[in-house]
Amino acid sequence: EVQLVESGGGLVQPGGSLRLSCAASGFTFSSYWMTWVRQAPGKGLEWVANINQDGGEKNYEDSVKGRFSISRDNVKNSLYLQMNSLRAEDTAVYYCAKDRRIAVPDTRPYWYFDLWGRGTLVTVSS
Amino acid sequence: DIQMTQSPSSLSASVGDRATFTCRASQSISTYLNWYQQKPGKAPEVLIYGASNVQSGVPSRFSGSGSGTDFTLTISSLQAEDFATYYCQQSYSVSWTFGQGTKVEI
Repeated sequence: EVQLVESGGGLVQPGGSLRLSCAASGFTFSSYWMTWVRQAPGKGLEWVANINQDGGEKNYEDSVKGRFSISRDNVKNSLYLQMNSLRAEDTAVYYCAKDRRIAVPDTRPYWYFDLWGRGTLVTVSS
Repeated sequence: DIQMTQSPSSLSASVGDRATFTCRASQSISTYLNWYQQKPGKAPEVLIYGASNVQSGVPSRFSGSGSGTDFTLTISSLQAEDFATYYCQQSYSVSWTFGQGTKVEI
């Protein structure tokens, strides 16, 4: 079955750390960019970070730069998000998502998220 | 970063109604615009990519249009399972950004 399963969420104090994992199955994980997206309680979606196929290219949303680190293990078919110096505003459900790239003639490709996990809740509170 | 603004923030409708909602980008993003549907307690699912391309498996009542800064998602005839929140997302430049969502309610 094609799926993504997140784990590692929980309650952590402000300033603490947490490592999220996302286990992929049913597709060739090493062939795709992967992304973390979060959603604060009752709020909208926020892109957090993404990583290319071999882990050599990473991008981060400004508010998490320097605190979060995205990585992957293509042997274990797993994506990770190391979160340090956590703040109350990082409280959210964190989703991992598979990026889909569609080639467009003579211009840049389309990108979208075609597979999502069910999410893992991170609560930052004292 | 490119800001995405959706309107309205919520919409009351009935089964069978035609529903239209909009998304505006803070700068031109050509057709690099995706639409997602999210039901309560569930992960989002893609409906439309590239402004007007319907994802495989998505019902034909969903359609998208627009380019540049203004985009529209249309549901031609609302079904009970369509009551959800809809998000637009630009894929023109990293960091990808989402709109704040439009909630479709009965």
